[in-house]
Amino acid sequence: GDSVTQKQGQVTLSEDDFLFINCTYSTTTYPTLFWYVQYPGQGPQLLLKVTTANNKGISRGFEATYDKGTTSFHLQKASVQESDSAVYFCALVINTGNYKYVFGAGTRLKVIA
Amino acid sequence: EAAVTQSPRSKVAVTGGKVTLSCHQTNNHDYMYWYRQDTGHGLRLIHYSYVADSTEKGDIPDGYKASRPSQENFSLILELASLSQTAVYFCASTLSTEVFFGKGTRLTVV
Repeated sequence: GDSVTQKQGQVTLSEDDFLFINCTYSTTTYPTLFWYVQYPGQGPQLLLKVTTANNKGISRGFEATYDKGTTSFHLQKASVQESDSAVYFCALVINTGNYKYVFGAGTRLKVIA
Repeated sequence: EAAVTQSPRSKVAVTGGKVTLSCHQTNNHDYMYWYRQDTGHGLRLIHYSYVADSTEKGDIPDGYKASRPSQENFSLILELASLSQTAVYFCASTLSTEVFFGKGTRLTVV
């Protein structure tokens, strides 16, 4: 079936460190891929989106590249700030007549000042 | 700005009692979803709907019912609440790709 895997449950970094959050997916279709961010006490919100047509998404200093060969969609940021502390979800959507979303388990990022 | 409003924001329910979580969206979106969030499990789909008066089962529908009386409103119903249903519940809506989430309802069953 369709699935998204985030193996890192929690990542702790210092300010200005490089961020890398791993995400791999499995599907038989051509998905649109997303990263959502959830700040404390709030619902998830869209961070960036990538389709198979454009391969890369960039938003607020975050970047993710779609790699069909490795079925990966890792999230990166060159220099994190304390305000980036949140939970990050990788997700995909498949259009099978209805829009079906599949979310990863989430990676909690803690940035220490 | 797309808006999804959930009520209540938090609730304590007794085991065996009935609980109704409400969701209202002003986005004119066709699709609405109910997810539950538990630590380590991310977001799991309970029920969803793509048109008023029709609901579909998601990945974990057992113990839950859903109702979509209008395009704007989507409710999640726990007929007999159980301890295992303690979680944070999110409602969401979408027109096609980007999903808009509410702020969540923290449900504690005691």
